[in-house]
Amino acid sequence: EAGVAQSPRYKIIEKRQSVAFWCNPISGHATLYWYQQILGQGPKLLIQFQNNGVVDDSQLPKDRFSAERLKGVDSTLKIQPAKLEDSAVYLCASSLNGRGAEAFFGQGTRLTVV
Amino acid sequence: DAKTTQPTSMDCAEGRAANLPCNHSTISGNEYVYWYRQIHSQGPQYIIHGLKNNETNEMASLIITEDRKSSTLILPHATLRDTAVYYCIVRVLMPLKTSYDKVIFGPGTSLSVIP
Repeated sequence: EAGVAQSPRYKIIEKRQSVAFWCNPISGHATLYWYQQILGQGPKLLIQFQNNGVVDDSQLPKDRFSAERLKGVDSTLKIQPAKLEDSAVYLCASSLNGRGAEAFFGQGTRLTVV
Repeated sequence: DAKTTQPTSMDCAEGRAANLPCNHSTISGNEYVYWYRQIHSQGPQYIIHGLKNNETNEMASLIITEDRKSSTLILPHATLRDTAVYYCIVRVLMPLKTSYDKVIFGPGTSLSVIP
């Protein structure tokens, strides 16, 4: 079974530039999560989708971050404009449903903002 | 916010059992305890979960106290490959308008397995 795919693996941008990350969840998984993990900390949930609808985005900085999950499959997370403090690993995860099912994580995208 | 507390770091000798504690004193009766681990430069990996009974799988055992206020993850024979950050998570139920729960991570325990 293919896992959660993320791209790119690494990205370096200058502050105030824009960046987008892509996630392809495991086939058939209804729930998709985006996390931000700053070095030395646990992952922080940014947004959670159930199919193509948002069920929680309370921790998403909406002035600069946006995410979408068209057709309830792939998802993109965008930052515009980026700040230095956005440097982190961005993790995508999916689960069969959002009620107790195991979440599978991708390897993440490491973003460096300079 | 995470509803669990864990030690920041632990060491374990290779081949010995690693016992990782977790406190979740405010856990609700229908909330599960999950354990994940994250090896350097990888995404978190599911290990095990339980409600009130002890659980065992090919990776680990989970011991939950009778009052459910704490639990212990046991790696029976730790290897160098078990060096990772281990996260204890309580699945927090979402508000009534939805029926989905969150996976909220705390800082975890950094386990170092020593040769």
